[in-house]
Amino acid sequence: QKEVEQDPGPLSVPEGAIVSLNCTYSNSAFQYFMWYRQYSRKGPELLMYTYSSGNKEDGRFTAQVDKSSKYISLFIRDSQPSDSATYLCAMTGNNRKLIWGLGTSLAVNP
Amino acid sequence: GAGVSQSPRYKVAKRGQDVALRCDPISGHVSLFWYQQALGQGPEFLTYFQNEAQLDKSGLPSDRFFAERPEGSVSTLKIQRTQQEDSAVYLCASSTRTGAPNEQYFGPGTRLTVT
Repeated sequence: QKEVEQDPGPLSVPEGAIVSLNCTYSNSAFQYFMWYRQYSRKGPELLMYTYSSGNKEDGRFTAQVDKSSKYISLFIRDSQPSDSATYLCAMTGNNRKLIWGLGTSLAVNP
Repeated sequence: GAGVSQSPRYKVAKRGQDVALRCDPISGHVSLFWYQQALGQGPEFLTYFQNEAQLDKSGLPSDRFFAERPEGSVSTLKIQRTQQEDSAVYLCASSTRTGAPNEQYFGPGTRLTVT
């Protein structure tokens, strides 16, 4: 079993929908939780970062971390076709070595 | 300012050939990371440098993989005697500080295909 589990999808939604993406993990030492967006043939781009448990909001994006359940989520409100990409969760303890999920492929249809 | 750059962007190698992949980090960034991303997978950590010191190489899959950063800026990932299972995108990331795991800025990657 991988340390970080993420459903690869694909996920297809209509424009304007609320998108929910999530990851589960097994290592209780993880403290830093990131969401990256990756367009085809590009490197990952950091979207959201959360330290320990809690919520963080940035525009249309909200990240949630529930350490008691070892579960993290990313919500995208009012989704746009430009949000179509692969979304990767990544996490680490204190050693800066990121452990990644598989990535979820998202398509937002006009 | 320029981001992280990697070259070549695409590399095709015949099985058994040696390859060298280059990473130019953001100027002044102390830390540099290499990741391997197979098709349809998330990135997997390979190795980490702080300046010229290789602090963690636990992710290198075999002794055919070697990374260096001799002057603490540009880094090269070398793969000897390439095998088909080495086909992947090799991502480089750099970071400005030692205590911020979230601050890794990625390059576009080098797509290696071993035939």
